[in-house]
Amino acid sequence: EADIYQTPRYLVIGTGKKITLECSQTMGHDKMYWYQQDPGMELHLIHYSYGVNSTEKGDLSSESTVSRIRTEHFPLTLESARPSHTSQYLCASSEKAGGPNTGELFFGEGSRLTVL
Amino acid sequence: SQQGEEDPQALSIQEGENATMNCSYKTSINNLQWYRQNSGRGLVHLILIRSNEREKHSGRLRVTLDTSKKSSSLLITASRAADTASYFCATGLGGTYKYIFGTGTRLKVLA
Repeated sequence: EADIYQTPRYLVIGTGKKITLECSQTMGHDKMYWYQQDPGMELHLIHYSYGVNSTEKGDLSSESTVSRIRTEHFPLTLESARPSHTSQYLCASSEKAGGPNTGELFFGEGSRLTVL
Repeated sequence: SQQGEEDPQALSIQEGENATMNCSYKTSINNLQWYRQNSGRGLVHLILIRSNEREKHSGRLRVTLDTSKKSSSLLITASRAADTASYFCATGLGGTYKYIFGTGTRLKVLA
């Protein structure tokens, strides 16, 4: 059972609202990731972090922003949500300093966002 | 464009049959992993194969890797209805901790 949690699981909001999707892990992992996935489709990496105060944009351009102030926490924020942001957002983590590390990604259950 | 392409996109088989899905990628990798996703859920890690390995087994799973062809295959033997899910390959890119996912294969196992 993966110790990585995402909230909310489901969110329906109106256009223009600011939202924050939370992701927390209790495994002490250094690396954390956000992927965007439309239903039945591939995953796209939108943000990643190698550690505290380290964040990078992924391969898919996203209007969202992330922060990594604490090792266990990697929230994703949309300042002004639009219908085009409707999707599932998956958080993942891997790699603990000092190991043992298998290279495996641990995923949360996802946050399904609908913007009306 | 995505690093990984998988085929087939969808596969429907009878319970007890074997299921094979393939993944091709474009750049050099540290390792390749396979994940399973049940509808509406997060992904679950199945198996990892390193770039210097050619074949790996885990229970009913068999993974092969051909770095010269930049391709991998996942074989699920004696499939069960509970194996119905989407399966994704993910490549760990050389020199980074980034993982790029393929397009996925949607497997349906009929009871």
